[in-house]
Amino acid sequence: DAGVIQSPRHEVTEMGQEVTLRCKPISGHNSLFWYRQTMMRGLELLIYFNNNVPIDDSGMPEDRFSAKMPNASFSTLKIQPSEPRDSAVYFCASRPTGGGWETQYFGPGTRLLVL
Amino acid sequence: GENVEQHPSTLSVQEGDSAVIKCTYSDSASNYFPWYKQELGKGPQLIIDIRSNVGEKKDQRIAVTLNKTAKHFSLHITETQPEDSAVYFCAASDGTNDYKLSFGAGTTVTVRA
Repeated sequence: DAGVIQSPRHEVTEMGQEVTLRCKPISGHNSLFWYRQTMMRGLELLIYFNNNVPIDDSGMPEDRFSAKMPNASFSTLKIQPSEPRDSAVYFCASRPTGGGWETQYFGPGTRLLVL
Repeated sequence: GENVEQHPSTLSVQEGDSAVIKCTYSDSASNYFPWYKQELGKGPQLIIDIRSNVGEKKDQRIAVTLNKTAKHFSLHITETQPEDSAVYFCAASDGTNDYKLSFGAGTTVTVRA
């Protein structure tokens, strides 16, 4: 089991540029989460998908952020245009179907720096 | 919404000693309480979890206790080893939206050799 896969692992960009983060959940998991981690705010849930459908996007900070899940094995989080305050570590997590369904498995994260 | 408080923020222990981290939560309907370990440069990894119908759970050197009446739960690590050094996060599920976890601020544990 390869676990949750995220790319890129590190991203440095300039303010105003578009940033796209990618996630491949664990095969068979039907729920996917995007989180943001900062020193000031800790781990925050940005958006939750179930069966590829966005269920809760109340954590998305503003319209500059968007997320998609075109199929069960791929999701993207896009920031356009990026700002320095978006600098953070972004995690993708997935959750299995069936027993232990509450357990969320996190990917290694994408460390984003917006200059 | 759920509010989770975690203490202490840092903890330094001698190798072989025990470490205890405590969390409180606000939503009495919460029913799932996972603990995650995050090593430098990595994502949080689940180490143990407990559900509200259980008061205590143990897995080798790690144990978690839950007091639903007082709305607090704790992580106990016995016989600490240098590889236990990491940031530990507690979390509690939202009573209304079970997919939503609220995380504590984290405890940085350092095990001194």
